[in-house]
Amino acid sequence: DTAVSQTPKYLVTQMGNDKSIKCEQNLGHDTMYWYKQDSKKFLKIMFSYNNKELIINETVPNRFSPKSPDKAHLNLHINSLELGDSAVYFCASSYASGAGGIDEQYFGPGTRLTVT
Amino acid sequence: GENVEQHPSTLSVQEGDSAVIKCTYSDSASNYFPWYKQELGKGPQLIIDIRSNVGEKKDQRIAVTLNKTAKHFSLHITETQPEDSAVYFCAASTRGSTLGRLYFGRGTQLTVWP
Repeated sequence: DTAVSQTPKYLVTQMGNDKSIKCEQNLGHDTMYWYKQDSKKFLKIMFSYNNKELIINETVPNRFSPKSPDKAHLNLHINSLELGDSAVYFCASSYASGAGGIDEQYFGPGTRLTVT
Repeated sequence: GENVEQHPSTLSVQEGDSAVIKCTYSDSASNYFPWYKQELGKGPQLIIDIRSNVGEKKDQRIAVTLNKTAKHFSLHITETQPEDSAVYFCAASTRGSTLGRLYFGRGTQLTVWP
């Protein structure tokens, strides 16, 4: 009965490799997000999708490419991994209210990415 | 854009005491203020939230207050227990902003000593 799930939980890889992180939510939400949490615990939004449409695209290197095949899934592909990409990546989901409204966001358990 | 400041960065209390974490925000258009608890190795969990049309909200031992004039909001935990130990994040969302954008504070590491 997991609400927001991510795979893998841990990912260790070498610089220059390409990797993907998958996210799925079974809450029926229409909006999904990717956040990055650095070593100092700071949470920063990277992307959000609403009904498979990209809504938020923060200042993120274009090596990061999100893909949303349907409302319940949002994957994150990272090309040419760098040391600075090491962090914990969280997926989240919510309902989107109209007119810029906001609703509760629920987070997944996170994927700890380590680039060596 | 919105700027959320959170204090203190670390907080240690004795079991049974109260804990208070404070946040300020910069954008007077912000209208939604959630609080998240993150335990070690887990994702942030929403514990309570407040919208700008109310000044206070309670849920058992947890309460949140909002002062729109001063642009600050606080989390109050009473009768703290060791299992309350975690990192707590405040966040704010600006009315009319891009769907779902939350601005987070930098977190408070709360330690409750038995």
